[in-house]
Amino acid sequence: QVQLVESGGGVVQPGGSLRLSCAASGFNFNTSAIHWVRQAPGKGLEWVSFIRDDGGDKYYADSVKGRLTISRDNSKNTLDLQMNSLRPEDTAVYFCAKEELRKGFFNLWGRGTLVTVSS
Amino acid sequence: SYVLTQPPSVSVAPGQTARITCEGNYIGSQSVHWYQQKPGQAPVLVVYVNSDRPSGIPERFSGSKSGNTATLTISRVEAGDEADYYCQVWDTDSGHHVFGSGTKVTVL
Repeated sequence: QVQLVESGGGVVQPGGSLRLSCAASGFNFNTSAIHWVRQAPGKGLEWVSFIRDDGGDKYYADSVKGRLTISRDNSKNTLDLQMNSLRPEDTAVYFCAKEELRKGFFNLWGRGTLVTVSS
Repeated sequence: SYVLTQPPSVSVAPGQTARITCEGNYIGSQSVHWYQQKPGQAPVLVVYVNSDRPSGIPERFSGSKSGNTATLTISRVEAGDEADYYCQVWDTDSGHHVFGSGTKVTVL
C-alpha cells in the first residue's frame, strides 16, 4: 500500500525537543524528495522543510531554520524531523508529503501528527 | 518572503461555478498547484502544473493562469466540494515552497 505514516507527536514544554518520524511504503523512497508541511490549529498550510532523495540538499522555512533538522534513512524508508528549542507557535499538525519527481508538487500525504508546545 | 494571496471565502450554490484566485508577484513564471483539504483530513492534490488533473480528480476541477493570477475553477459544484483550497508554488531561487492563505468554499 502506497502511504506515508507520521509518528512522534505529543506535548512538550517551550524550549523542549521532539523528534518526528515518517515511515514510507509502497513506492521507491530512494528516488523521492520528501517534505514536512505543518498546519497550526484553525490556520493554513505552511511548508517547513524538505530533503532530496539522496539526502544531499536540505531546505528550511525561515521560521524554523536553526531549530529543526531534517534527515532520512533510505535503508529503512524513514524520514525524521528533529525539533529543538520549540516555541508555542510551533504547535501544529505536522504532515510529511512526497514530491512528484522534481516537479514541485505533493502527490502523497500522510495523515499528520500533532505537536503541542505548552507549559 | 514570497506571499500568495487567496480570498478567505467563496460561497456558491449547488450546480453553479466556483472560482478561487491566487495572486503572487511571480506566478506568471511559476507552476501553480492546487490542493483540497476537508476538516480533519490531509490535503489532496486536485490540479498540478497550472492546469493538469491527477487521475481520479473529476473533470469539474480545472486550473488556469493569466498574468500574476492563477484560478481554480470548480464547475457544477456539489455539496462534497465544500472544503478549504490552497494554491502552492515552488520558488526555485530560494528552494522554498509557498502555500497560499487558503480559501474556504461553502456550498449554499
